[in-house]
Amino acid sequence: DAGVTQSPTHLIKTRGQQVTLRCSPKSGHDTVSWYQQALGQGPQFIFQYYEEEERQRGNFPDRFSGHQFPNYSSELNVNALLLGDSALYLCASSLAGGNEFFGPGTRLTVL
Amino acid sequence: KNQVEQSPQSLIILEGKNCTLQCNYTVSPFSNLRWYKQDTGRGPVSLTIMTFSENTKSNGRYTATLDADTKQSSLHITASQLSDSASYICVVSDSGYSTLTFGKGTMLLVSP
Repeated sequence: DAGVTQSPTHLIKTRGQQVTLRCSPKSGHDTVSWYQQALGQGPQFIFQYYEEEERQRGNFPDRFSGHQFPNYSSELNVNALLLGDSALYLCASSLAGGNEFFGPGTRLTVL
Repeated sequence: KNQVEQSPQSLIILEGKNCTLQCNYTVSPFSNLRWYKQDTGRGPVSLTIMTFSENTKSNGRYTATLDADTKQSSLHITASQLSDSASYICVVSDSGYSTLTFGKGTMLLVSP
């Protein structure tokens, strides 16, 4: 039984570019949440997807958008990248709001 | 505003020694409190999860306590090992939708 997987593991982009990060939830999970973790900080909640819709959203600008597919996998899109978007992006999955399991993260570096 | 405060910010202990990490929260309404271990550059891994009615929960050498009245929790690590070196994050959930508030973590270094 695979846990939460994320791709890619590392990514380097330049300012102004767009990026798409991908997440496959743990088998049987239907809810996916995305978090941004800056170096030395705790993760910050971006948004949560359930039944292919954004159910909750943290304090992030509209440059951050997402999508959940019928198979419960999810994408995080960030447009017009800023230097401050450099962080570890974590995906977590759960079943109906239960305990969350985190993926290994995608390290995004914006130059 | 929901907040989770952790102390100390960092800690260095000798291998084999015990340590206790602290967490204070102002999250309402409270659903559950979790402790995660996060290795550098990796995703957090759950250690314990406690609901309002639970005072203590153990997972091997890790023991978490919860005082819901004072809104405090602690994580006690016994007989520390080098592999315990990591960031320990206290996380509080405030709703059934699993909305989580994270502390900044305590960075633990276990020295030989």
